[in-house]
Amino acid sequence: GQQLNQSPQSMFIQEGEDVSMNCTSSSIFNTWLWYKQDPGEGPVLLIALYKAGELTSNGRLTAQFGITRKDSFLNISASIPSDVGIYFCAGQNGETSGSRLTFGEGTQLTVNP
Amino acid sequence: DGGITQSPKYLFRKEGQNVTLSCEQNLNHDAMYWYRQDPGQGLRLIYYSQIVNDFQKGDIAEGYSVSREKKESFPLTVTSAQKNPTAFYLCASTRTPRRGNQPQHFGDGTRLSIL
Repeated sequence: GQQLNQSPQSMFIQEGEDVSMNCTSSSIFNTWLWYKQDPGEGPVLLIALYKAGELTSNGRLTAQFGITRKDSFLNISASIPSDVGIYFCAGQNGETSGSRLTFGEGTQLTVNP
Repeated sequence: DGGITQSPKYLFRKEGQNVTLSCEQNLNHDAMYWYRQDPGQGLRLIYYSQIVNDFQKGDIAEGYSVSREKKESFPLTVTSAQKNPTAFYLCASTRTPRRGNQPQHFGDGTRLSIL
């Protein structure tokens, strides 16, 4: 199965800094999703994007659905220690593929206080 | 509270043994999914089911089997044919795909190890 190209693979930042990560794909998706996973737990949905060009915020998080439908980015502003974790992007197409998700390999974020 | 419950949290398998991982949801979701996660990698789809008594193979179905006899339950069996079963297994569910794309929600996972 296809994997998305997610970058960077890991980030080490100071508390208060802004963070940006992105995903690219060779094929288009109808929906882009961003999840966060803490150690030993399941991923938790952060933001869902449904339209090309859409820009959506959730608190300090902002994500955009690329106009070509082949990419998406996630920004975190003013990072705090609890932002630590693995962030995954996922692309989704609809009914014909059972709404299955294709995941990126994750961005491991470390925030130093 | 509504949610997805996976059990057990940790599971150990002996050589040649089949083991079954449980996934139950009380969200009234139609579709359910099983993923495998290896260290440093994204999630890979094992099997999914869009409706009771029906399921489809994902990208890495070999060595696994599933059943969907009830809407709330989607157990995954890791058979002895799966030669590298050590991984973190995640179950997810979503409302019916026919209502447009719906994000998947995940359980807290089962970590399977070989004895």
